[in-house]
Amino acid sequence: KAGVTQTPRYLIKTRGQQVTLSCSPISGHRSVSWYQQTPGQGLQFLFEYFSETQRNKGNFPGRFSGRQFSNSRSEMNVSTLELGDSALYLCASSPRLTGYGYTFGSGTRLTVV
Amino acid sequence: DAKTTQPNSMESNEEEPVHLPCNHSTISGTDYIHWYRQLPSQGPEYVIHGLTSNVNNRMASLAIAEDRKSSTLILHRATLRDAAVYYCTRLSGNTPLVFGKGTRLSVIA
Repeated sequence: KAGVTQTPRYLIKTRGQQVTLSCSPISGHRSVSWYQQTPGQGLQFLFEYFSETQRNKGNFPGRFSGRQFSNSRSEMNVSTLELGDSALYLCASSPRLTGYGYTFGSGTRLTVV
Repeated sequence: DAKTTQPNSMESNEEEPVHLPCNHSTISGTDYIHWYRQLPSQGPEYVIHGLTSNVNNRMASLAIAEDRKSSTLILHRATLRDAAVYYCTRLSGNTPLVFGKGTRLSVIA
């Protein structure tokens, strides 16, 4: 069974640009969460979606946004990129909000230059 | 804020059991206890989760204290491939999965 797929795997962007990252959860999984991982801050929670609704949002500026589609696929967007946005962005999915473990994708490595 | 407390690092000899502790003294009755691990250059990997009773799976065992304020992840025979950062966290229907700094486990051959 296919795992969580994140595209692209690597991305290089220039300061001020915007970027969209994609996450395809495991078939049947309706809960999708996004995380940013940096060496200094560790794994930080960005968003949580369930059935197209954003249920929780982490402490990130409004430049970070996301959405979930009816097929549970999710995207996150970062506008006006800053150097500090360079990070590994991870997506995780689960069948429901609780009662199950989350499966993580391999992440998208974003470098802002 | 993961609302859990774990030691920063632990060390184990290969083929010996490892007990990784986690304190979650403010846990609520609906919070599940989850454990994940992250190997170098990989995304986190689900290990095990539980609510009240002890749980076993092919990877590990989870021992939950009777008052649920602490738990212990047990790796029965550590191998070099178990060297990773282990995260203990909580999950409920209202709060998302949030990670702390975790415990870095080193396994010595």
